[in-house]
Amino acid sequence: GAVVSQHPSRVICKSGTSVKIECRSLDFQATTMFWYRQFPKQSLMLMATSNEGSKATYEQGVEKDKFLINHASLTLSTLTVTSAHPEDSSFYICSAGHPSTNEKLFFGSGTQLSVL
Amino acid sequence: GENVEQHPSTLSVQEGDSAVIKCTYSDSASNYFPWYKQELGKGPQLIIDIRSNVGEKKDQRIAVTLNKTAKHFSLHITETQPEDSAVYFCAAKKGAGNKLTFGGGTRVLVKP
Repeated sequence: GAVVSQHPSRVICKSGTSVKIECRSLDFQATTMFWYRQFPKQSLMLMATSNEGSKATYEQGVEKDKFLINHASLTLSTLTVTSAHPEDSSFYICSAGHPSTNEKLFFGSGTQLSVL
Repeated sequence: GENVEQHPSTLSVQEGDSAVIKCTYSDSASNYFPWYKQELGKGPQLIIDIRSNVGEKKDQRIAVTLNKTAKHFSLHITETQPEDSAVYFCAAKKGAGNKLTFGGGTRVLVKP
């Protein structure tokens, strides 16, 4: 399958700081990427759809100013958690659809964010 | 919007036995149904998928069946092995694009 790379895999930060997570499609171009949040032993919750060259589309209840998404190129989307607080601690995962396979979504390895 | 229910939430099987996970969806317009395997601390990995114009698909020890009339689809794992232990998620999609709705997940434990 297609490769989606996500970094960092784990980050610990102090409350009030901002954290940037990168998601790259390594062997294909992705006009659309998705960002999810996952709490322990729960399913994936879609946060937003990242569109290359345009604004992200956020799901209901997700704060746009809190979770900044930038999709500046066809292979890179970034999620910045601004002014992080302990309640933002979670597992964040990105995904991208390979254009040749149309529907198949491939996921990054996830980022475990811990806010102290 | 679409709602996907997944059962059971946990499943324990003996090595070599079969495991079956079932999902139901609410939107009859859904046309694509992937299954993902997620190991601890990792992202989900696509293991098999099926489109609405197909009733069954098999890939070695795993198979997926789809009943459009009843709006449910199932994952079958035969000859289970300890490395099959993971959390499995079903999902559904309708129309164009890649936006998926996920089920709640099933934690599978294969006992040696």
